[in-house]
Amino acid sequence: NAGVTQTPKFRVLKTGQSMTLLCAQDMNHEYMYWYRQDPGMGLRLIHYSVGEGTTAKGEVPDGYNVSRLKKQNFLLGLESAAPSQTSVYFCASTSRLAGYNEQFFGPGTRLTVL
Amino acid sequence: GENVEQHPSTLSVQEGDSAVIKCTYSDSASNYFPWYKQELGKRPQLIIDIRSNVGEKKDQRIAVTLNKTAKHFSLHITETQPEDSAVYFCAASPIQGAQKLVFGQGTRLTINP
Repeated sequence: NAGVTQTPKFRVLKTGQSMTLLCAQDMNHEYMYWYRQDPGMGLRLIHYSVGEGTTAKGEVPDGYNVSRLKKQNFLLGLESAAPSQTSVYFCASTSRLAGYNEQFFGPGTRLTVL
Repeated sequence: GENVEQHPSTLSVQEGDSAVIKCTYSDSASNYFPWYKQELGKRPQLIIDIRSNVGEKKDQRIAVTLNKTAKHFSLHITETQPEDSAVYFCAASPIQGAQKLVFGQGTRLTINP
């Protein structure tokens, strides 16, 4: 049981390049989330998904796209990277079961955009 | 939308003393309040949470209190130890629906030996 995993762990991009971050979970969770973490700003929600084939915008969605083609995977895409997207990205998941709220986080992806 | 404010941003205490971190929230619809601990270079991990039908919850050396009327909640760590040094985040969300967490800005806690 690996929990929540993220690929890659580190990446350096040049401005204007594109990339996709992969999040995978093996806990059969319905809900998945992408956050970014910047110094002094806590974690901010980018996009989230409440089930396979559905996605929605969070607090800071601009410049990102997501897809949830399979229940266990949640992809975050940057179409044209900007230096402002330099951050640590965390994926998280939780169950839809009543009374269950803990979000489990992946190990993070450190992205630098030059 | 929800806004969560967390204070202080940094906190330094002597080993064995208590530490208190405070958060306020704005949306009365929020009824789930978790606290996450993040060690350097690691992922956030849940250490305790509380729901709005409870005023206080304890788990060994950590406790959380909630005042729904004033819209604030606090984390209390007693008998602090060096391994408590980390960044702590509070968050708020409704229990229903997509359970979208809104996080505070974080508190860097340092335990001095």
